Amino acid sequence: DVKVTQSSRYLVKRTGEKVFLECVQDMDHENMFWYRQDPGLGLRLIYFSYDVKMKEKGDIPEGYSVSREKKERFSLILESASTNQTSMYLCASSLNRVEPQHFGDGTRLSIL
Amino acid sequence: EDQVTQSPEALRLQEGESSSLNCSYTVSGLRGLFWYRQDPGKGPEFLFTLYSAGEEKEKERLKATLTKKESFLHITAPKPEDSATYLCAVQAERWGKFQFGAGTQVVVTP
Repeated sequence: DVKVTQSSRYLVKRTGEKVFLECVQDMDHENMFWYRQDPGLGLRLIYFSYDVKMKEKGDIPEGYSVSREKKERFSLILESASTNQTSMYLCASSLNRVEPQHFGDGTRLSIL
Repeated sequence: EDQVTQSPEALRLQEGESSSLNCSYTVSGLRGLFWYRQDPGKGPEFLFTLYSAGEEKEKERLKATLTKKESFLHITAPKPEDSATYLCAVQAERWGKFQFGAGTQVVVTP
């Protein structure tokens, strides 16, 4: 079974802080994704990566950046956290561009 | 513009009361339509992929079908453990990204 692990289930940070969310997958998947999930809005794609050291902007990249130095690890960075970034953050991976994505259990991030 | 709309937003069923969830989409060139189940506090769990109109997939009490404009997730004789939010996502050929619907929250009472 695919295992996507997100480092924290819950996180509380202050506005202006730099926040790091970590995601690791154990299935040698090529592709990795970061989404945020908000009530009534569904999942929205922030950034994705089709290969190591590659990154592409999703639909809502403003205020975020990512890093993928190793194939199995994909980090999401909030450069200067703001209260409107309070959300559930979900990481996903897929074997290739046509296979389904598999998700971690999410990080519920609160920015105070 | 590509869109994915799920209905109803919420569904309350008695145990054993079969029903269907709808996922309608507008996308140019569908590569695949995906169904997921999400339990509270967890990430979405993959259920099915459908690629072409007329295709059907089944898993226990769930059956997914696909037409050129929509997909249905049929829940037959549901049990309380089928309570979850069901998400659909479409992948268009041209951009490869998934676009998710807002989900249908299903509650099955004994």
